[in-house]
Amino acid sequence: DAKTTQPPSMDCAEGRAANLPCNHSTISGNEYVYWYRQIHSQGPQYIIHGLKNNETNEMASLIITEDRKSSTLILPHATLRDTAVYYCIVRRDNTDKLIFGTGTRLQVFP
Amino acid sequence: SQTIHQWPATLVQPVGSPLSLECTVEGTSNPNLYWYRQAAGRGLQLLFYSIGIDQISSEVPQNLSASRPQDRQFILSSKKLLLSDSGFYLCAWRGQGRSPLHFGNGTRLTVT
Repeated sequence: DAKTTQPPSMDCAEGRAANLPCNHSTISGNEYVYWYRQIHSQGPQYIIHGLKNNETNEMASLIITEDRKSSTLILPHATLRDTAVYYCIVRRDNTDKLIFGTGTRLQVFP
Repeated sequence: SQTIHQWPATLVQPVGSPLSLECTVEGTSNPNLYWYRQAAGRGLQLLFYSIGIDQISSEVPQNLSASRPQDRQFILSSKKLLLSDSGFYLCAWRGQGRSPLHFGNGTRLTVT
């Protein structure tokens, strides 16, 4: 599976958009990008995933660059409850091994 | 709807004692099952994953083992715990295809 690189930490003001980047420059054509987040002392929560088209759901939007070497998770109006560690992982459609990186610690401040 | 149960929530065990953590999934059949460990302030480390009964892959050589005696039951074990086994243990499941992972609430293990 392709390795992902994320900044270790980011800050965002409450009510503003949080844009979390992920680099996956070695991604291959059949690998999906998944995003999860982990609030302190809880199990990670699935947010969104995509292959090459931009995706949006009730939690966030996922923007994948045309060459698919990077993506951005967008929380359009961050709240204090969005403070968490955000993980970006890539997975081939036919593999069961899911490896997490160290993620980005997002701190939303008032 | 599908749910995942993981217990206990917290556990304190002495060095050298055995360990058994259990995870069960409800509301689905033939799930893929996973055990992850998270050391304090660190990321998630994949320990084991299973695509079916008695089909388990080990990712990291260590003091732990996993078993899947039933379709929706995944057990993490150790015969003799080490101090380094302390951490936050997470069980997860996913369906087939592109289904995302769904995690349990975790077990915080402290080996003293």
